[in-house]
Amino acid sequence: LAKTTQPISMDSYEGQEVNITCSHNNIATNDYITWYQQFPSQGPRFIIQGYKTKVTNEVASLFIPADRKSSTLSLPRVSLSDTAVYYCLVGDMDFGNEKLTFGTGTRLTIIP
Amino acid sequence: EPEVTQTPSHQVTQMGQEVILRCVPISNHLYFYWYRQILGQKVEFLVSFYNNEISEKSEIFDDQFSVERPDGSNFTLKIRSTKLEDSAMYFCASSSKDTFDHGYTFGSGTRLTVV
Repeated sequence: LAKTTQPISMDSYEGQEVNITCSHNNIATNDYITWYQQFPSQGPRFIIQGYKTKVTNEVASLFIPADRKSSTLSLPRVSLSDTAVYYCLVGDMDFGNEKLTFGTGTRLTIIP
Repeated sequence: EPEVTQTPSHQVTQMGQEVILRCVPISNHLYFYWYRQILGQKVEFLVSFYNNEISEKSEIFDDQFSVERPDGSNFTLKIRSTKLEDSAMYFCASSSKDTFDHGYTFGSGTRLTVV
């Protein structure tokens, strides 16, 4: 299982774009990169998933360089409600039955 | 948007008592999971369930734990004889084969306090 490393915490002001980078040097060929968000006392919530290059959805973008050894979650124009812990996960998601291994995540605090 | 529903939201129980945590996964999902998160710690995998049997379980999921899908909609986690260290948030999750765009859907959790 590929180990992930991400910053423990980050602060940003409202309205800014926030980029959280995750390192996963030992990523395997079949592994996908997935990001989850967790608010206090709530379950994790799926944000975005990708394999390579760039993926964008209505809430975030995910940038993955060609070597796939890192990835960057980009949150455009953050608001106070984006204050949460963000987890980068790497694993083989192709079968729909992969257990998720969460690290300590990045605690993002949005400042007014 | 479909949700995973968990009940109760809070449960306080005495050490040694049995508890059953209940979950209603998303109706067309086929894979079901339990995770737990001790206060201030990581989210930890407990067990996955597919086709009416356990597909994988962690070291945490010892003989005190069991899961069941008693009917077509509920998925339960039973802790037979609770210990103080079982106090945690327990999250149920479900997924389908096509998780790529949607990931796994987690419930809001049950906060279990063992006293």
